[in-house]
Amino acid sequence: EAQVTQNPRYLITVTGKKLTVTCSQNMNHEYMSWYRQDPGLGLRQIYYSMNVEVTDKGDVPEGYKVSRKEKRNFPLILESPSPNQTSLYFCASSTRLGGTDTQYFGPGTRLTVL
Amino acid sequence: SQQGEEDPQALSIQEGENATMNCSYKTSINNLQWYRQNSGRGLVHLILIRSNEREKHSGRLRVTLDTSKKSSSLLITASRAADTASYFCATAPQAGTALIFGKGTTLSVSS
Repeated sequence: EAQVTQNPRYLITVTGKKLTVTCSQNMNHEYMSWYRQDPGLGLRQIYYSMNVEVTDKGDVPEGYKVSRKEKRNFPLILESPSPNQTSLYFCASSTRLGGTDTQYFGPGTRLTVL
Repeated sequence: SQQGEEDPQALSIQEGENATMNCSYKTSINNLQWYRQNSGRGLVHLILIRSNEREKHSGRLRVTLDTSKKSSSLLITASRAADTASYFCATAPQAGTALIFGKGTTLSVSS
């Protein structure tokens, strides 16, 4: 089944404790991205990747890191999480046509930073 | 870099009625897409309409695009309780590399 998976689905952590949210897709998509969703603000892009070893900042990259060592995986790293990073996070992927094509979303990761 | 704005923000209707949501945007686009999100879940792609298309259908969904007015509408006909969700428009700017999402319309369909 074609899908985007994220882990963990729910995470409660404390300020400053490094964490990684994994994202994997099985559709051989070249483009992958991370979004955060906050009430009243909609979805905002954090980082995106056009291909392996090619990443770039989205609208709200501060406090986040990403890597793309393999085509299928695109982890999101919070080196020192803060309470303002409490949010619902989504990973998405799309074809080689780029981020302007249909996006396939993961189920989301609800992160709470205390 | 908010581009799409949905209207209304919230809509409540009865089963069997039609639901219409609108999206306005600011810059020239390659395509415009509509997504659905059930509460707390991932977004699901509904339909993509390209800038050279004016109308597109998919089942009970009808999407129109007016590039001169920089607006689009999503019509859901004969709505069902299962259509209760948030609906987002997303625009693909001509000069951009990423979709830009609006804040969404929350649709509630009661039986």
